Amino acid sequence: QSVLTQPPPASGAPGQRVTISCSGSSSNIGSNYVHWYKHLPGTAPKLLIYRNNQRPSGVPDRFSGSKSGSAASLAISGLRSEDEADYYCATWDDSLSGWVFGGGTKLTVL
Amino acid sequence: EVQLVQSGPEVKKPGESLKISCRASGYSFGNYWIAWVRQMPGKGLEWMGVIYVGDSDTRYSPSFQGQVTISADKSNTTAYLQWSSLKASDSATYYCGTTAGWGPMAWLDPWGQGTLVTVSS
Repeated sequence: QSVLTQPPPASGAPGQRVTISCSGSSSNIGSNYVHWYKHLPGTAPKLLIYRNNQRPSGVPDRFSGSKSGSAASLAISGLRSEDEADYYCATWDDSLSGWVFGGGTKLTVL
Repeated sequence: EVQLVQSGPEVKKPGESLKISCRASGYSFGNYWIAWVRQMPGKGLEWMGVIYVGDSDTRYSPSFQGQVTISADKSNTTAYLQWSSLKASDSATYYCGTTAGWGPMAWLDPWGQGTLVTVSS
């Protein structure tokens, strides 16, 4: 059972917009930055969004992040087949004094 | 280019010891932290612990404290994750990642490609 809650699967057709949610508590998301990672099993996870809504160099602006209270979300617009992957949210947990991750959301591009 | 390259897959028996590695290149290794993250089959990511390479300051998640040992060797820019006595439940893929800082402001980027550890009799 992950500390952060993400919906297991998500899907969308090419070109559509999809949103992935991440729910936590006041000791983690509620008081800290949220980061998002894209992961294809067997490969290195890739940073997509840091500090709630910042994109690293090279990440297209189709990806955006937001946070409100103890929840965060990742939005992907203009879905492409290469977006099919697992997406994880992560943040610091004040009670744990360490990082916590969501359970991951598997995105399927129909 | 900043890069982390992990050692290859391992197949071990319960009770055996194991040390896997994460070799860094392209940045000042001694000024960064290296974290280890576990992914059990079909499950999400779990933070295990982190080490500041500069002075070997190491922090562990309570779930992994006493179960594994994290270390680093500045001379060969490599971090390690080791077990003294493996259990079947240690079967998982282990990822390393690097961060410039440790705490609420930090994130991992980049990550290694993962090392699959299989523990079976």
